[in-house]
Amino acid sequence: NAGVMQNPRHLVRRRGQEARLRCSPMKGHSHVYWYRQLPEEGLKFMVYLQKENIIDESGMPKERFSAEFPKEGPSILRIQQVVRGDSAAYFCASSPLAGGYNEQFFGPGTRLTVL
Amino acid sequence: DAKTTQPNSMESNEEEPVHLPCNHSTISGTDYIHWYRQLPSQGPEYVIHGLTSNVNNRMASLAIAEDRKSSTLILHRATLRDAAVYYCILRDGAAGNKLTFGGGTRVLVKP
Repeated sequence: NAGVMQNPRHLVRRRGQEARLRCSPMKGHSHVYWYRQLPEEGLKFMVYLQKENIIDESGMPKERFSAEFPKEGPSILRIQQVVRGDSAAYFCASSPLAGGYNEQFFGPGTRLTVL
Repeated sequence: DAKTTQPNSMESNEEEPVHLPCNHSTISGTDYIHWYRQLPSQGPEYVIHGLTSNVNNRMASLAIAEDRKSSTLILHRATLRDAAVYYCILRDGAAGNKLTFGGGTRVLVKP
């Protein structure tokens, strides 16, 4: 059973461009979470999605960031008009069920560099 | 989610046990205690979790105080591959979906 997959692993964008990060959860998992780790900082929750629905986006910046998890295909984290401060590692996790007693399985991350 | 307190760093010798403490004095009755670790340049990895009783798995053991205000993650024989940042996280059993990471404990394993 393949783990959580993220692509690309490394992404370089110039200021003002768009970044699209993809996450394929583990087979059978319908819950996806996105986290961001800024350089030399801790991991911060961004958004929690269940198939076709955003459940909790309390950690998402108000502008330029959006996330989706369509019925078919991977979850996408989209950052429009990137700025240097968006440079970070973005991790996706998935779980088979909701609730605090379930573990989350993390992907290897996408490292975004904004020039 | 309730707050946890961990030491910033700990050192251990290879093949010796490592005891990582975590204080969570404001834990509620429905909070699960989770531990994750993050190896250098990798995504976080689940280690273990528990509610009230001590737990063991292939990676580690979790000892939970009787009043649940603290817990200890035990790595029985540290290897160089166990060098990582270890996070103690509380999650509400019913409503806790996101993981709230604190600073964690950076474990250094010396050969």
